[in-house]
Amino acid sequence: DVVMTQSPLSLPVTLGQPASISCRSSQSLVYSDGNTYLNWFQQRPGQSPRRLIYKVSKRDSGVPDRFSGSGSGTDFTLKISRVEAEDVGVYYCMQGTHWPRTFGQGTKLEIK
Amino acid sequence: QVQLQESGPGLVKPSETLSLTCSVSGGSISNYYWNWIRQPPGKGLDWIGYIHYTGSTNYNPSLKSRVTISLDTSKNQFSLKLSSVTAADTAVYYCARQAFSYSSGWSDFDYWGQGTLVTVSP
Repeated sequence: DVVMTQSPLSLPVTLGQPASISCRSSQSLVYSDGNTYLNWFQQRPGQSPRRLIYKVSKRDSGVPDRFSGSGSGTDFTLKISRVEAEDVGVYYCMQGTHWPRTFGQGTKLEIK
Repeated sequence: QVQLQESGPGLVKPSETLSLTCSVSGGSISNYYWNWIRQPPGKGLDWIGYIHYTGSTNYNPSLKSRVTISLDTSKNQFSLKLSSVTAADTAVYYCARQAFSYSSGWSDFDYWGQGTLVTVSP
């Protein structure tokens, strides 16, 4: 299985400040079609996960543009330009290139 | 707007079979892959498997010997059966949609259900 490793696992951030989460995969996520299938999900307290980013950097509909994704190969980053109170929750990266699909351990974002 | 809703018993005894159903509304089951994902309390997400609208399935090898996912297109529902459960199977179970097209590639888990907690206990 492809192991997804996130850091940090806990991320205290001051409101209005930027935040960054790293995700590393144990194998390249470049698929045979040339795409890189790396997704980011947000799980707010008591809610289901919600996809924010797919194919490394494409934002889902309705996702604020303060969220951005970048990276290639095995190293990826989710950035929040200015953290707001509604961003509190756990963020997961997930690879969609290999079977079985696998998720990172999650990064808990809290307000400092 | 596509909506997914899980249903089923919240308590299952050890060694018995866990059975859940996911009802899909606001869209057709056709042309998609329908997945089950679980989350043990306080832990991360684990992919269980999918069923394609054609009936083909793909399961996580870690659970393959115990999992069956089936489809009822007439009811726009798909189901999960997990046999010989233990306390380690206690989790919130989610259903989620997945798509593939030759033009766009894979789109994983763009819609999720609200999840249902299943506890394995005597």
